[in-house]
Amino acid sequence: DQQVKQNSPSLSVQEGRISILNCDYTNSMFDYFLWYKKYPAEGPTFLISISSIKDKNEDGRFTVFLNKSAKHLSLHIVPSQPGDSAVYFCAASAITSGTYKYIFGTGTRLKVLA
Amino acid sequence: GAGVSQTPSNKVTEKGKYVELRCDPISGHTALYWYRQSLGQGPEFLIYFQGTGAADDSGLPNDRFFAVRPEGSVSTLKIQRTERGDSAVYLCASSGTANTGELFFGEGSRLTVL
Repeated sequence: DQQVKQNSPSLSVQEGRISILNCDYTNSMFDYFLWYKKYPAEGPTFLISISSIKDKNEDGRFTVFLNKSAKHLSLHIVPSQPGDSAVYFCAASAITSGTYKYIFGTGTRLKVLA
Repeated sequence: GAGVSQTPSNKVTEKGKYVELRCDPISGHTALYWYRQSLGQGPEFLIYFQGTGAADDSGLPNDRFFAVRPEGSVSTLKIQRTERGDSAVYLCASSGTANTGELFFGEGSRLTVL
């Protein structure tokens, strides 16, 4: 049962353009969502998060949008840079119920073309 | 070093053997997680420690898997009677507080069971 889904395994974007990575979830108890970035042979690194009480969180070039009714979140990267090329994972947890088990999606490989 | 350290970085073993994987978290971090990542998949939750105790071990696939954190710092993931399906990258992460999602991952231990 895949509770967190990233349906696009890969995405290619031109440098300077917007990258949009999508994530869907099924568990309505999830109340905290995160994006992680992973380079080859390295562990994932935290990028940005959002609580379910918000619908948007912005940090520099990265913005995460949350649509609770659709159980959907997206990560926008503007402008995209070649160094953004990596695998991006979304993750979710049900913090208010005391569950700190973060469930990850299968990842989307982003390639930013120079 | 300042980050999460995992040893060994690579382990090749034969089916049926016993394996131990070690994680040295960031100093002072009370929360420690073990995840497993197979090829083309996202990190799969195994177990989460808060201090010395396993707060959530619901992700351990069966009783061949066991993890300890006796002094609330270093953790060891133990796999008995290894099977070929156990081959994966085992990721450890730590966090100063479990409820922010900012997990700091190590580079992982790649386990290959022949």
